[in-house]
Amino acid sequence: AQKITQTQPGMFVQEKEAVTLDCTYDTSDQSYGLFWYKQPSSGEMIFLIYQGSYDEQNATEGRYSLNFQKARKSANLVISASQLGDSAMYFCAMREGRDKLIFGTGTRLQVFP
Amino acid sequence: NAGVTQTPKFQVLKTGQSMTLQCAQDMNHEYMSWYRQDPGMGLRLIHYSVGAGITDQGEVPNGYNVSRSTTEDFPLRLLSAAPSQTSVYFCASSYGRYQPQHFGDGTRLSIL
Repeated sequence: AQKITQTQPGMFVQEKEAVTLDCTYDTSDQSYGLFWYKQPSSGEMIFLIYQGSYDEQNATEGRYSLNFQKARKSANLVISASQLGDSAMYFCAMREGRDKLIFGTGTRLQVFP
Repeated sequence: NAGVTQTPKFQVLKTGQSMTLQCAQDMNHEYMSWYRQDPGMGLRLIHYSVGAGITDQGEVPNGYNVSRSTTEDFPLRLLSAAPSQTSVYFCASSYGRYQPQHFGDGTRLSIL
C-alpha cells in the first residue's frame, strides 16, 4: 500500500499567490515525522519543513507552512507569496519505524508571472 | 562545510560490470541512506544505516550491497549492473531519526 500519496502531479500558481501542495500518509505508528523537500531543475534535494506527529502546532518556516491534520492523515505544504524561484518538484516524505524515510512521487510546481 | 559528498557525479557502465558509488559525510551523522530516483517514482530507499556496523534494507535492495565501517562513509556497490539500475542515486545523512536529511548532489548512472 502507498505510504505517501501526492495526488497532484503538477500545479500552476501565479507569482505572489499562495499554493497548497497535498500530501496524505498512511501509518499505524504513533510516532512519526513528516518532511517536505524541494528539488529544483538542478537536481539537489533541499529540506523545507518538518512536522512531528506529536507536535500540536503546525510547522512554519518563512513562507512555508505545513497544514497538519492528524486525524485525516494529511500534511499539506502551503507556500505563501509564490516566487518564480519556487518552480520545482516538491516531495513529501515520512519517517516511520526503524528510520526508513519514504517519499511520495512528487508534485511539479510551476510559478508564472 | 563539505556536507554529503558523492562520487562520481556521472557514470556509464556496461551490463554485468560492477562498481561502487562513494558517499562521505563530515557532519558526524549516525544515519545514512541511499536512494534511487526514477522518473515518476519519486525517491525509493535502497539501503540505510543507523550507525557504523549497522545496515538494513529499504524498499528496493536487490542488486545492491552496502557496508558501514566508519561513521563517515557509506558506499553502495552494484554487484552486476543491469539496465534497470539506470537511475539517479542520492546519498543522504541525518543527525537523528527526526532530523532532516542532508542530501548529496547525486550520481547519474547509466547502464548500457
